[in-house]
Amino acid sequence: AQSVTQPDIHITVSEGASLELRCNYSYGATPYLFWYVQSPGQGLQLLLKYFSGDTLVQGIKGFEAEFKRSQSSFNLRKPSVHWSDAAEYFCAVGASGGSYIPTFGRGTSLIVHP
Amino acid sequence: KAGVTQTPRYLIKTRGQQVTLSCSPISGHRSVSWYQQTPGQGLQFLFEYFSETQRNKGNFPGRFSGRQFSNSRSEMNVSTLELGDSALYLCASTSGTRGNTDTQYFGPGTRLTVL
Repeated sequence: AQSVTQPDIHITVSEGASLELRCNYSYGATPYLFWYVQSPGQGLQLLLKYFSGDTLVQGIKGFEAEFKRSQSSFNLRKPSVHWSDAAEYFCAVGASGGSYIPTFGRGTSLIVHP
Repeated sequence: KAGVTQTPRYLIKTRGQQVTLSCSPISGHRSVSWYQQTPGQGLQFLFEYFSETQRNKGNFPGRFSGRQFSNSRSEMNVSTLELGDSALYLCASTSGTRGNTDTQYFGPGTRLTVL
């Protein structure tokens, strides 16, 4: 069965600092991988996804993530955080192929200090 | 274009009742997925419908069911409500192609409270 681990429950960064949110997955084959953001005003939003191809994926709001098969990781990065990035971030893994059932991590809460 | 709409936004029911939630996807999207979000279990996938057919189903009891209509609108039904069914129910729509350009859009959710 597939699973996702987001090791950090909370992350605090200063505005303008760089950000990396960690995500490790467990799945036997090449997975589908996703990052979502959820904030009170915006609801749940897909930031980016990896289905195949280039392992460095660009998303919305200046985010990117890199799929590293050898480390079973799909970490989310942003070079300079804005106060509006404060939110809950979820990583998810979905089985590739015909059966597509995503499994979500428990989320990382991002706090941005001015 | 209009986003994903969910109705109702808030709902209060009592144990044993049933409830029907509705989701209207973005125009042209053929896939609708449903998710449950609770503080205890987090985000969980319920099911996905594509062109009126259930394409995938998560690990939920048979009390949870859904359907999709020819206009891609979807409903989910929960029968014999339990306290643990209190949650935010989210639906999302995509074109359904699962390609790299297929983007998923979420509705604002329906907050269900079971008393």
